[in-house]
Amino acid sequence: AQTVTQSQPEMSVQEAETVTLSCTYDTSENNYYLFWYKQPPSRQMILVIRQEAYKQQNATENRFSVNFQKAAKSFSLKISDSQLGDTAMYFCAFMKPAPRIRLVFGQGTRLTINP
Amino acid sequence: SAVISQKPSRDICQRGTSLTIQCQVDSQVTMMFWYRQQPGQSLTLIATANQGSEATYESGFVIDKFPISRPNLTFSTLTVSNMSPEDSSIYLCSVAGAGLASSYEQYFGPGTRLTVT
Repeated sequence: AQTVTQSQPEMSVQEAETVTLSCTYDTSENNYYLFWYKQPPSRQMILVIRQEAYKQQNATENRFSVNFQKAAKSFSLKISDSQLGDTAMYFCAFMKPAPRIRLVFGQGTRLTINP
Repeated sequence: SAVISQKPSRDICQRGTSLTIQCQVDSQVTMMFWYRQQPGQSLTLIATANQGSEATYESGFVIDKFPISRPNLTFSTLTVSNMSPEDSSIYLCSVAGAGLASSYEQYFGPGTRLTVT
């Protein structure tokens, strides 16, 4: 079974700083997807970024980028120029597309951006 | 992405009763899922709601406790039966496929916060 580990329960940075959230996963699969989700206090889960395992290029979405190290089974999220609105729980998630789709989530990292 | 609504947004229920949570999507989707998020915890998949057939349950979740319906491609319900305080959680539905950006991206509803007393 796949497992996802987020080793940082909480992080705190100042506004405008860059922060990196760590995620490691365990799988014997070769074809899979990795995601970062954000859950602000409103509890709405928001998809931040997606990475396909077959792609070597790291995914980027505006201020959010990932460092995907397939051999090391590592998938970290970097937030540049952090904003107060980035304050949230961040969940790393693993998904293999077959035989059926299911997301496996890490324990989450609570990120606080301080003014 | 899709616009997903859930009803109710929150509820307080008595032990031993049942609550049905509705999930409505503004467009047809291939897949719908139900998750549970216990207080201070991560999300755990309960089941995949299959249109026109029985849901596929994950280990540790059974149909008698969490019956699920999916009558069409835009709607699903999850019932939490014979509730106990341990069922106090946030229940979230998610959707994927059919017209969304990627078949493998899941989009979540706002969640239903359930408290059982």
